[in-house]
Amino acid sequence: GENVEQHPSTLSVQEGDSAVIKCTYSDSASNYFPWYKQELGKRPQLIIDIRSNVGEKKDQRIAVTLNKTAKHFSLHITETQPEDSAVYFCAASGNAGNMLTFGGGTRLMVKP
Amino acid sequence: NAGVTQTPKFRILKIGQSMTLQCAQDMNHNYMYWYRQDPGMGLKLIYYSVGAGITDKGEVPNGYNVSRSTTEDFPLRLELAAPSQTSVYFCASSYIPTGAMGYGYTFGSGTRLTVV
Repeated sequence: GENVEQHPSTLSVQEGDSAVIKCTYSDSASNYFPWYKQELGKRPQLIIDIRSNVGEKKDQRIAVTLNKTAKHFSLHITETQPEDSAVYFCAASGNAGNMLTFGGGTRLMVKP
Repeated sequence: NAGVTQTPKFRILKIGQSMTLQCAQDMNHNYMYWYRQDPGMGLKLIYYSVGAGITDKGEVPNGYNVSRSTTEDFPLRLELAAPSQTSVYFCASSYIPTGAMGYGYTFGSGTRLTVV
């Protein structure tokens, strides 16, 4: 099945700096890559996603890039704010596309 | 439209007890999932269902059972609870295969289970 690796596991940045989180996946048939944000004690919330026919997607301060050849995708957050502090999860849809396989998560801390 | 509703929110079980975690969705979603999230870790798939009457194992199914008698409900049964099942359990649903059209999950609010 699909295997998703996520790095780093923790990331600390100063407010206003950029943050980058990287994921690699194993199944070349995966075609959908969402990112979820989970605040402490809350449920994961979808923040951005990308399909395999697109190389980059932006939504205000967040962007996701996908390199299908290398089987990796990244989340970029610019002009970070304290409210961006959370755990971020990447995921991939795998061969059948019936389910998501999640990375291990990145705890992002934005210091004011 | 309540989305995905999970009950209970918290539960403490003694070793060897059994319980059922409830999950219901009112969005007419065909696909439903159960994940567990251990402290500081990612989400691991326990079981999933692609429609009423159809269930399949995920990555970590041992110690759990599911049923899907209706489109709306997807309960998760724990038999003979063990400390290793202490975790936060999330139910999720999607309308179509998540990979087919780039359609993400809707998550429930989670059930925090402690086995002592």
